[in-house]
Amino acid sequence: DGGITQSPKYLFRKEGQNVTLSCEQNLNHDAMYWYRQDPGQGLRLIYYSQIVNDFQKGDIAEGYSVSREKKESFPLTVTSAQKNPTAFYLCASSWGYNQPQHFGDGTRLSIL
Amino acid sequence: KNEVEQSPQNLTAQEGEFITINCSYSVGISALHWLQQHPGGGIVSLFMLSSGKKKHGRLIATINIQEKHSSLHITASHPRDSAVYICAVRSGGGADGLTFGKGTHLIIQP
Repeated sequence: DGGITQSPKYLFRKEGQNVTLSCEQNLNHDAMYWYRQDPGQGLRLIYYSQIVNDFQKGDIAEGYSVSREKKESFPLTVTSAQKNPTAFYLCASSWGYNQPQHFGDGTRLSIL
Repeated sequence: KNEVEQSPQNLTAQEGEFITINCSYSVGISALHWLQQHPGGGIVSLFMLSSGKKKHGRLIATINIQEKHSSLHITASHPRDSAVYICAVRSGGGADGLTFGKGTHLIIQP
């Protein structure tokens, strides 16, 4: 079955450490996105990528980094510069920028 | 930047009731999405629409471009419809991601 796989489902990080969240899709989608969800707030865009080897900052990119070396993979690194990283992170993909987005099941990141 | 407002924030209803969730936005859009988020956090795309009305099973989504307003209706609601329903919009011709509402938390009681 085609879909988006995010791993791990739960992730714990010590303060000062970088951590990488995985997102893989086998839908052959060109576009991929990372969103952050906090309680009581709507999802906010962190980074997006329209094609391989290209990505753009979203609304809240500070403290995060991404890469898009392969079409099917769009990992997100939460760096130590991100002051409040505890959140639920969702990855999505679509055929193009104005097409329905397919979402993964999310990764919940907590700081120890 | 588009502002997306949803109402109500929380809704509890009895099984079988007709449900309406509203979404309004501030700036013209190229598309509006309705999404469903289950307790585990996973999100499913229900509809993408830019005009008129779409129907899938017991779900109906409508949009009025002039009034910058969309509604999601659920007919013959069932406890399995309990979830958070999220409205999201894409503004103009932008190639970036969506702008999301805060969601409507729906509980259908048996």
